[in-house]
Amino acid sequence: NAGVTQTPKFRILKIGQSMTLQCTQDMNHNYMYWYRQDPGMGLKLIYYSVGAGITDKGEVPNGYNVSRSTTEDFPLRLELAAPSQTSVYFCASSRTGRYNEQFFGPGTRLTVL
Amino acid sequence: AQTVTQSQPEMSVQEAETVTLSCTYDTSESDYYLFWYKQPPSRQMILVIRQEAYKQQNATENRFSVNFQKAAKSFSLKISDSQLGDAAMYFCAYRSGSGGSNYKLTFGKGTLLTVNP
Repeated sequence: NAGVTQTPKFRILKIGQSMTLQCTQDMNHNYMYWYRQDPGMGLKLIYYSVGAGITDKGEVPNGYNVSRSTTEDFPLRLELAAPSQTSVYFCASSRTGRYNEQFFGPGTRLTVL
Repeated sequence: AQTVTQSQPEMSVQEAETVTLSCTYDTSESDYYLFWYKQPPSRQMILVIRQEAYKQQNATENRFSVNFQKAAKSFSLKISDSQLGDAAMYFCAYRSGSGGSNYKLTFGKGTLLTVNP
């Protein structure tokens, strides 16, 4: 049981490039989330999904897209990377229901130059 | 919208001593959860302790306990017998109890805890 895995761990992008951050969970969780953590700040929600085929925007969705074709995978797509997207990105998942905690992946550190 | 405030950017404690980290929050909801997460240099987010708003009793997990003051909207974390491994960034987080919020977490900015040997 690997929990929540994220790839890559680190990435440097040039301005205007695109990339996909991968997230996979093996706990059969319905809910999945993408957060970003800027230096000296807490995590902010980018997008979330309540199940395969269903996604919605969080607090800071601009510049990102997501898809959820399976329960396990929730990739985050960056189109036309900008320096403001330099951050650490965390994926998390949880079971449905009010009592269930979120489990976090190890994060991806992204730098846009 | 809910907000979470951690007023102490940094704290330090001597090994074996006790330290308290502060957190206040703002909400109009009556049904919610509060959490403390630990983030060591490895970046992994680790749940330390959780508190359900409808429970008056303060949560405890081994050396970690909370002081939950619902009326004051305060949720502090006390670490007893501090250990070197407790050194980390600590985040306070809020989650609505309503499924309509999709259970997203709202985080404070964090408190960096240093443990001195």
